[in-house]
Amino acid sequence: GQSLEQPSEVTAVEGAIVQINCTYQTSGFYGLSWYQQHDGGAPTFLSYNALDGLEETGRFSSFLSRSDSYGYLLLQELQMKDSASYFCAVSLSGTYKYIFGTGTRLKVLA
Amino acid sequence: DGGITQSPKYLFRKEGQNVTLSCEQNLNHDAMYWYRQDPGQGLRLIYYSQIVNDFQKGDIAEGYSVSREKKESFPLTVTSAQKNPTAFYLCASKGQGTPYNSPLHFGNGTRLTVT
Repeated sequence: GQSLEQPSEVTAVEGAIVQINCTYQTSGFYGLSWYQQHDGGAPTFLSYNALDGLEETGRFSSFLSRSDSYGYLLLQELQMKDSASYFCAVSLSGTYKYIFGTGTRLKVLA
Repeated sequence: DGGITQSPKYLFRKEGQNVTLSCEQNLNHDAMYWYRQDPGQGLRLIYYSQIVNDFQKGDIAEGYSVSREKKESFPLTVTSAQKNPTAFYLCASKGQGTPYNSPLHFGNGTRLTVT
């Protein structure tokens, strides 16, 4: 089957850097995406990696290594508002099926 | 402004009753999706539709049904066969352009409670 695994929770202090990992087992996909979801809200798109390597968008960066079946989201200069859940996601090859990882709850402490 | 509208925000039903959750989008997106989220959990795919009059089962389709008669609308029916229907339901659509890497746009969700 297809699965994307993430750590359930990560805690960091304001101003720090945190990395959220995503390891996957899928037969093939078009790229790795990341979404942020605040409690009770809708997920919002953060970043996308079509190819291996690092993509940078402001304070957020995302990385993909297909050979290692691994990706991560890097959040820099953490702010209290970054406290949320983060999900990796993929669109499976040859289909419109779009699946999400198990999710990581990030707590940012003052 | 374009977006996805889910209604109602909160829904309460008695066990044994079917219930339909509404999802409407005015983004002119072809693909639409339904996900279920339980407290502290990830998003699990229920159904998805690539185009009008066509839809596919996701990973947890049992006890659910959908229709896609119009491009703008993708209602989800939670039937009495769904053994544990209480959850947060999210509808999403996928944009134009490159078909596989455009991001999902989500509605604000419907929180269903069945007692």
